[in-house]
Amino acid sequence: NAGVTQTPKFQVLKTGQSMTLQCAQDMNHEYMSWYRQDPGMGLRLIHYSVGAGITDQGEVPNGYNVSRSTTEDFPLRLLSAAPSQTSVYFCASTHRPAQSNSPLHFGNGTRLTVT
Amino acid sequence: AQSVAQPEDQVNVAEGNPLTVKCTYSVSGNPYLFWYVQYPNRGLQFLLKYITGDNLVKGSYGFEAEFNKSQTSFHLKKPSALVSDSALYFCAVITGGSYIPTFGRGTSLIVHP
Repeated sequence: NAGVTQTPKFQVLKTGQSMTLQCAQDMNHEYMSWYRQDPGMGLRLIHYSVGAGITDQGEVPNGYNVSRSTTEDFPLRLLSAAPSQTSVYFCASTHRPAQSNSPLHFGNGTRLTVT
Repeated sequence: AQSVAQPEDQVNVAEGNPLTVKCTYSVSGNPYLFWYVQYPNRGLQFLLKYITGDNLVKGSYGFEAEFNKSQTSFHLKKPSALVSDSALYFCAVITGGSYIPTFGRGTSLIVHP
């Protein structure tokens, strides 16, 4: 059981470049989300999805796009990378969003550096 | 609205001593409360949760947490700390029917040999 898989683990981009962070889960979770983690800031929600075809913005959505064409995958796209997007990105998923007492399952993160 | 406070950025404890990592919350409605642990270069891992019932919740790795409604707290505890418990700990709260949990900023636990 792989759980939540994020790729790549590390990435270095130049300012202005675009890229996609991949997230896949094999637990048939309906809810998926993206967070960024910065020192002293805790976890900040970027985007989330409650099912295939449904996405919504979180706390810090600017500069990021998402799509949810399948239950399993939830890619995060950086349209034009900026140094302020240097961070560690985590994907998380959980069962049936109506059951909000289900814990989140996290991937191991993507460490992104924008120069 | 919901919020979580972890008042200590860092907690230091000697191996073998009891440890407490503090968490207080604010919600409108009944809270669901969670503790997660993050080891270096890893994602967060679920430790335990409080939904309803017994105020003392037991979780993984010998950790437990006590829900106190009057003090709106959910402190994480362990009777005897191990060096391997050194990690970043996050408290989170969510209310029934909500999709999105609110996380605290995290507390770094350092257990000294």
